[in-house]
Amino acid sequence: EVQLVESGGGLVQPGGSLRLSCAASGFTFSSYWMNWVRQAPGKGLVWVSHLDTGGSSTTYVDSVKGRFTISRDNANNTLYLQMNSLRAEDTAVYYCVRGAPQGFDIWGQGTMVSVSA
Amino acid sequence: DIVMTQSPHSLAVSLGERATINCKSSQNVLFKSNNKNYLTWFQQKPGQPPKLLISWASTRESGVPDRFSGSGSGTDFTLTISSLRAEDVAVYYCQQSYSSPFTFGGGTRVEIK
Repeated sequence: EVQLVESGGGLVQPGGSLRLSCAASGFTFSSYWMNWVRQAPGKGLVWVSHLDTGGSSTTYVDSVKGRFTISRDNANNTLYLQMNSLRAEDTAVYYCVRGAPQGFDIWGQGTMVSVSA
Repeated sequence: DIVMTQSPHSLAVSLGERATINCKSSQNVLFKSNNKNYLTWFQQKPGQPPKLLISWASTRESGVPDRFSGSGSGTDFTLTISSLRAEDVAVYYCQQSYSSPFTFGGGTRVEIK
C-alpha cells in the first residue's frame, strides 16, 4: 500500500524549533518530488515547500523562507521539514504530499503543530 | 505568484441536483509544449486529508465516480458534480502546479440543501 506517515508535531513556544518527518512506503520514494502543505485550523490549504528527487532543488512559500528547511533521505524513504523561529501563524496541520506528474496524488494524515506560549 | 480564486465560497444543493464550482487563475496555467493545464481539483472531507479528484483540469483519478467532471483551460476552470450524493459533502479546492508557489484556491464548501 502506498503510504505517507508524518510525525514530529507538537506544542512549541514562539521562537522554538521542530523537525517533522514523513515516512514513505509502498512506492519508489527516490523517484518522486515531495511536498509539505499546511492547513491552519478551520482554514484552507497552503503549499509550504517542495524538493526534487535528489534533494538539491528546493522552493518555499515566502512566509517560511529562511526559517524552514526541507530535506530527504532516499536511503531511508523519509522526508523532513526543519522548522525554526516558529510563530503563532505557523500553527497548522502539516501534510506530507507526493508530487506526481499529474499533481499532488498521495497525502499523509498530517501532523499538528501548535505554536503558543 | 499565481492567485487562484474559487467561487462560490459555499454551495447548498439538493440531493440529485448539479453542483458547479468555479476556479479562476490570475495567470495562464496551460503549458503549450504539452497542451496540458496544470490544474488539479481536490476533495476534503472533515478530519481527512485532501483527495485528488481531477488532474490536468479534466482527467478523473482512478476510482473517482463519473459524476465528477472538470473542464476549462487557460485561466478559467469548473468542477461539476452532476448528481449530488450525501457522500459528496466536503470542501473542494483547486490548485495550480504550473509554477511555484503551487497555490490553492480558498475552497468551496458543498452542503445538502
